[in-house]
Amino acid sequence: GAGVSQSPRYKVAKRGQDVALRCDPISGHVSLFWYQQALGQGPEFLTYFQNEAQLDKSGLPSDRFFAERPEGSVSTLKIQRTQQEDSAVYLCASSPQGIRQFFGPGTRLTVL
Amino acid sequence: AQRVTQPEKLLSVFKGAPVELKCNYSYSGSPELFWYVQYSRQRLQLLLRHISRESIKGFTADLNKGETSFHLKKPFAQEEDSAMYYCALSGNQGGSEKLVFGKGTKLTVNP
Repeated sequence: GAGVSQSPRYKVAKRGQDVALRCDPISGHVSLFWYQQALGQGPEFLTYFQNEAQLDKSGLPSDRFFAERPEGSVSTLKIQRTQQEDSAVYLCASSPQGIRQFFGPGTRLTVL
Repeated sequence: AQRVTQPEKLLSVFKGAPVELKCNYSYSGSPELFWYVQYSRQRLQLLLRHISRESIKGFTADLNKGETSFHLKKPFAQEEDSAMYYCALSGNQGGSEKLVFGKGTKLTVNP
């Protein structure tokens, strides 16, 4: 079956623009996670959904970051008024009930 | 606070040599520990988890609670082991299964 997919794979934005990053999890996976990976760093947790409920958003760096998963499947991470420090790879992972997480290929965001 | 430390950013060995990638963690409870690997131009994937006590691609990792370590070892490195390796922990705090990652170690196995 298909793994986790993310789109777009690459996004270039001008500073101040809004962007939306999409994640399609593995079908049937209850849990969905977003991580941010800056250059030379490990992934850092942003937010977590269980079905449509956002249970943990403690990692979102500012109120410019917003995530949703309205029907408990596809998720969108939105970043408003992008800044240069937002440049990173954004990873989505999904998991059936349990611990193991399956990662998508990531979206590389570059803010100019 | 939850923290994972991978002291080596880069590690280079020759094919057939033993390899050990170090990982230390800080966590107040009983975490689950993982090693994830990212091969060139591929996505991050699970290599092994301590709870499974398995050997994957010849790699093993033992959780040492006294030293709060979870080092990854392989007795004879192969060129195809060259990749980025990330140690991670999950504490399942507050119902969130989020992973806390180290900064990663880039392993290069030379012919």
